[in-house]
Amino acid sequence: DAKTTQPPSMDCAEGRAANLPCNHSTISGNEYVYWYRQIHSQGPQYIIHGLKNNETNEMASLIITEDRKSSTLILPHATLRDTAVYYCIVRVEGGSEKLVFGKGTKLTVNP
Amino acid sequence: SAVISQKPSRDICQRGTSLTIQCQVDSQVTMMFWYRQQPGQSLTLIATANQGSEATYESGFVIDKFPISRPNLTFSTLTVSNMSPEDSSIYLCSVDRQGSGWETQYFGPGTRLLVL
Repeated sequence: DAKTTQPPSMDCAEGRAANLPCNHSTISGNEYVYWYRQIHSQGPQYIIHGLKNNETNEMASLIITEDRKSSTLILPHATLRDTAVYYCIVRVEGGSEKLVFGKGTKLTVNP
Repeated sequence: SAVISQKPSRDICQRGTSLTIQCQVDSQVTMMFWYRQQPGQSLTLIATANQGSEATYESGFVIDKFPISRPNLTFSTLTVSNMSPEDSSIYLCSVDRQGSGWETQYFGPGTRLLVL
């Protein structure tokens, strides 16, 4: 079973920041938080991951709480092309461990 | 990142037949993963394929139904055998790739299967 909990759906206005929450209260010390997204039946796309520090790349920012029990993925300026299902996954980095997908959050970016 | 291709991209099959899906990666990888995504559902791991050894199947998936081959470090196949309409799904392969000191999984575009 997935070790994360996400809201089933969210809406965001185009151009505004999209903040997607994720709860992972049972995360282990060596597990990272990964975010993927899946745009309408395409293969999932890696977005970002982190252990305990906040991370930022060209796609998004990841904010992890100090106790590591929850995190937020931030898309700073959402576009219509960001409409997708976003998956939050916890996983040990390296070792070729499988990804366990939960149901994710369906983000709809509205014009 | 990794460039992963899958063939076929989609197919419509009759029940009782079998379909072999191919996954090709642009460079050598140790582990390849096969996932299934049923309509409206999330992804579920079928098996992990390591070159030179038998694939490791997840609970609920068996080799007779989903035989996997891994003949080299850039290629794998998944066969869906004796298909029924319940096998209608998207089948995806993925690989782990090292980059910038960390590792993550990259996914192919998927094979959309409809069984009539």
